[in-house]
Amino acid sequence: QVQLVQSGAEVKKPGASVKVSCKTSGYSFNDHSVHWVRQAPGLAFEWMGWINPDNGGTKYARKFQGRVTMTGDTSISTVYMEMTSLRSDDTAVYYCARERAGATTGEVDCWGQGTLVTVSP
Amino acid sequence: SYVLTQPPSVSVAPGQTATITCGGNDIGGKVVHWYQQRPGQAPVLVVYDDGDRPSGIPERFSGSNSANTATLTISRVEGADEADYFCQVWDSDSDHQVFGPGTQVSVL
Repeated sequence: QVQLVQSGAEVKKPGASVKVSCKTSGYSFNDHSVHWVRQAPGLAFEWMGWINPDNGGTKYARKFQGRVTMTGDTSISTVYMEMTSLRSDDTAVYYCARERAGATTGEVDCWGQGTLVTVSP
Repeated sequence: SYVLTQPPSVSVAPGQTATITCGGNDIGGKVVHWYQQRPGQAPVLVVYDDGDRPSGIPERFSGSNSANTATLTISRVEGADEADYFCQVWDSDSDHQVFGPGTQVSVL
């Protein structure tokens, strides 16, 4: 079955970087874009961007441009999200999610389990 | 940027119908998707493209979208339906995905 398995929780200091992995299985890796979404405590989901594993193309939300990089490794069917210059308000659960086949407006049909990133002095 | 609004909570008795709204300026001109998130779990897509259901989602879940309000309707509510539900649209002006704040559905 389709699975997206993310790396474990991270604790970082302000100013540091974090790289979260999302290993996919159960489907053809190159056939679906992968989105990254985060949810800070008590707040709504916030879209961060997507990566097209087939060609490495990316689209980042304006808020995260310059601080986020999404990459993919087709040999191990894994995508990564790296964020730099972490601040306390980046504390959130970060999710990767597979875009639904045939999607025209970016809906996702399978999510990773989430990775808690805590930014604290 | 485009803003979506949802009621914070909805309460419904088992077997009754839950109606969850998602408001936005001319949201009827956009395509709306709905997700269910049970506590401690990852979200699940329950309705896409306003009113279509992914495979495995019960027919009890339905959606509609018109004017300034999109609606997710859960018929014959069960205890397992107790969860947060949130809507999503793609805002073409900003080329960004936008999520609603979520509605907590409580089954009495």
